[in-house]
Amino acid sequence: DAMVIQNPRYQVTQFGKPVTLSCSQTLNHNVMYWYQQKSSQAPKLLFHYYDKDFNNEADTPDNFQSRRPNTSFCFLDIRSPGLGDAAMYLCATSRETGRYYEQYFGPGTRLTVT
Amino acid sequence: ELKVEQNPLFLSMQEGKNYTIYCNYSTTSDRLYWYRQDPGKSLESLFVLLSNGAVKQEGRLMASLDTKARLSTLHITAAVHDLSATYFCAVDRGEAAGNKLTFGGGTRVLVKP
Repeated sequence: DAMVIQNPRYQVTQFGKPVTLSCSQTLNHNVMYWYQQKSSQAPKLLFHYYDKDFNNEADTPDNFQSRRPNTSFCFLDIRSPGLGDAAMYLCATSRETGRYYEQYFGPGTRLTVT
Repeated sequence: ELKVEQNPLFLSMQEGKNYTIYCNYSTTSDRLYWYRQDPGKSLESLFVLLSNGAVKQEGRLMASLDTKARLSTLHITAAVHDLSATYFCAVDRGEAAGNKLTFGGGTRVLVKP
């Protein structure tokens, strides 16, 4: 089945140790999004790619970077994780931007920072 | 800046009774989503509302959108335990903003026998 896949599902990293989260999709969608969701909070958009064009939200910390080497894959890099970066990270895809194109969410990666 | 407010933040329901969750937003938009999230899980899409007056129903859930009032409601009919989850509304920011979503704070629903 076409889907959005995130790996790993659970990630533990140490304070300050770089970590990379992975998202892949078999939907062949042009747009990929990364959201951060802290405990008991709403998802918050970090950035998105339209094809290879990167779009950062204004309040996304510099500590967060992203790469999209091809249509199928998108990575979230956290350069120096702090305790406040512990959260669920959700990847989503959309065929296009536009009011008729729905976002499809992956299962998420829960990040713990020790 | 678009603000999206849900209320209540927490809803304790009795099985068999009816309840409503409200989603208010601050700027013009004519596209709104409702999602369900179980603990530790991702977001499950429930409804996409694309125009003023849109109403959609699935099982015990019904969602509506009033773009003039900037209000969407999620109505639960005859609540059952399986509906216990957190419900989020999300508002499309519009084409100029790349149709990105802003989420409400969520409503945690607990259905008691």
